[in-house]
Amino acid sequence: EAEVAQSPRYKITEKSQAVAFWCDPISGHATLYWYRQILGQGPELLVQFQDESVVDDSQLPKDRFSAERLKGVDSTLKIQPAELGDSAMYLCASSYRDSGYNEQFFGPGTRLTVL
Amino acid sequence: GQQLNQSPQSMFIQEGEDVSMNCTSSSIFNTWLWYKQDPGEGPVLLIALYKAGELTSNGRLTAQFGITRKDSFLNISASIPSDVGIYFCAGQSFNYQLIWGAGTKLIIKP
Repeated sequence: EAEVAQSPRYKITEKSQAVAFWCDPISGHATLYWYRQILGQGPELLVQFQDESVVDDSQLPKDRFSAERLKGVDSTLKIQPAELGDSAMYLCASSYRDSGYNEQFFGPGTRLTVL
Repeated sequence: GQQLNQSPQSMFIQEGEDVSMNCTSSSIFNTWLWYKQDPGEGPVLLIALYKAGELTSNGRLTAQFGITRKDSFLNISASIPSDVGIYFCAGQSFNYQLIWGAGTKLIIKP
């Protein structure tokens, strides 16, 4: 069964360090999403890609966060420098297309702890 | 902005009991999705609803898309221990992005 892959599963870093997360969506899925989830809350969209283009990054803190999907397949989310408040679960999801049938499938997530 | 109200926030039930949770919105949605999330894992899609009034089942789970397109409910029949987790509703807005509820935490009493 096709799955969204994410790595690493867990990351512990000190504040002011740089961290990067990787996501490989389900094969053939053109739309890729990065979410941040704080414990006890629903996921919050950070950035949405359609192929290699950013569709929406309005909620991405661009002073420290960046995301890319250079070949329209896998994607990397980077935080530099990390702050204590960035501790959260970072989820990647993909869907077949940005359309009326927007079933998003999620990866296992990366749990980030900033010390 | 659009918001979803998901209730209850948590539920304590006995194994074998039926469970019901719902989401309401002030806005109309085109799609309702229900996900389950286990601790430390990503959400898993349970049921997707695309038409007002639609009733869809997935095993012991049944979900309905409200007639007004502003609400949806999820029922779980004859709960078992592996049903424990957090259930999220999500509505798809006009720009195809998902608006998420805050989740319903299901706990089964021993």
